[in-house]
Amino acid sequence: AQKVTQAQTEISVVEKEDVTLDCVYETRDTTYYLFWYKQPPSGELVFLIRRNSFDEQNEISGRYSWNFQKSTSSFNFTITASQVVDSAVYFCALTGSGNTGKLIFGQGTTLQVKP
Amino acid sequence: DTEVTQTPKHLVMGMTNKKSLKCEQHMGHRAMYWYKQKAKKPPELMFVYSYEKLSINESVPSRFSPECPNSSLLNLHLHALQPEDSALYLCASSQERTSGGAKAKNIQYFGAGTRLSVL
Repeated sequence: AQKVTQAQTEISVVEKEDVTLDCVYETRDTTYYLFWYKQPPSGELVFLIRRNSFDEQNEISGRYSWNFQKSTSSFNFTITASQVVDSAVYFCALTGSGNTGKLIFGQGTTLQVKP
Repeated sequence: DTEVTQTPKHLVMGMTNKKSLKCEQHMGHRAMYWYKQKAKKPPELMFVYSYEKLSINESVPSRFSPECPNSSLLNLHLHALQPEDSALYLCASSQERTSGGAKAKNIQYFGAGTRLSVL
């Protein structure tokens, strides 16, 4: 069975602090894809990144970076120099099994960035 | 442009009403999805349409009836809902690659959702 665990329910930081959101996944597939989405209070899920299981290269996009480690089944997300606009719920998700394209979401981490 | 548009943004309905949610995308995507999201929970998949045909129904009660009239539009018809159906309903779309496990690769783009309250 596939599963995504985001152990951090809520995180609160002060602006300009760095923050890491953890994501641990379980799958028996050899080919799978991992995603991060951001959901601000407006409700829309905003796509942030997709990573396939064969590409363990870390990625950086501006203040965002992702650390994918197959050995520990983790796909962690770091925001550097956080800003108030980063306040949102962040979901890690997984696809792979059965070729349905179905997203298996973690429970989400609520990030609050205080000024 | 990665825009998925949902209307209405908010909807309040009684348990005997019939209403519809609408979703539209113009990205040329051939897969469209309905999700239900309760407060402080992740989205839960309800339906998937592939090339305008229903491909996945996650055992959703018949009081929810999806429809895909064309490749750009997705509707969700609501009838005789219960108060526990109150939630954020999200629509998403993606390219549709179907060969060799390729569906797992598809990026789903979401709309802002319809906040539904059933009284």
